[in-house]
Amino acid sequence: RKEVEQDPGPFNVPEGATVAFNCTYSNSASQSFFWYRQDCRKEPKLLMSVYSSGNEDGRFTAQLNRASQYISLLIRDSKLSDSATYLCVVNLIRTSGTYKYIFGTGTRLKVLA
Amino acid sequence: NAGVTQTPKFRVLKTGQSMTLLCAQDMNHEYMYWYRQDPGMGLRLIHYSVGEGTTAKGEVPDGYNVSRLKKQNFLLGLESAAPSQTSVYFCASSEDRNYYGYTFGSGTRLTVV
Repeated sequence: RKEVEQDPGPFNVPEGATVAFNCTYSNSASQSFFWYRQDCRKEPKLLMSVYSSGNEDGRFTAQLNRASQYISLLIRDSKLSDSATYLCVVNLIRTSGTYKYIFGTGTRLKVLA
Repeated sequence: NAGVTQTPKFRVLKTGQSMTLLCAQDMNHEYMYWYRQDPGMGLRLIHYSVGEGTTAKGEVPDGYNVSRLKKQNFLLGLESAAPSQTSVYFCASSEDRNYYGYTFGSGTRLTVV
């Protein structure tokens, strides 16, 4: 089983729609969680951190479910400019005390006019 | 407003040639990383550094070397390039390894023929 799994998509949604992605992780020792956005042929850019209490930034809401070991990203009122690949990241602490920052392979979103 | 700068942006090498990729950050971050991104594989950590003068191996270090002589610079070397090293290389930096996300450079597209 992969340490971090994402549905590759693509998710094709019309403008104005609400879309949600999940990302599952296998290691319960995971400490921190993030969502990144990556445009085609560009670098990943941090979208938001994911806190236990959930967090919201404008049209974007991220949530963490530790019991079921997944994080989610909800995008409301989708814009054409939201079309990108969304990468989830899980950061875990190994028994050695070192960190392992694990990227998912991404979920591709296409917002259609 | 530079953030993380990578040079060069594109390069074509012949098998067996060597080259150095340069990464520079102006955010005074202690942590720096080199990743490669291949289709369907996600981002994989090559080497990283937790401060000036330190380096450590990531998950795919073979065929690469790194140096961090100055805090703001992190160099990635390929001593004898192989076609398997054809990839997009991203440098990143962060304030710490757990609670803050990473800032990425714009990437280097390397083709080894």
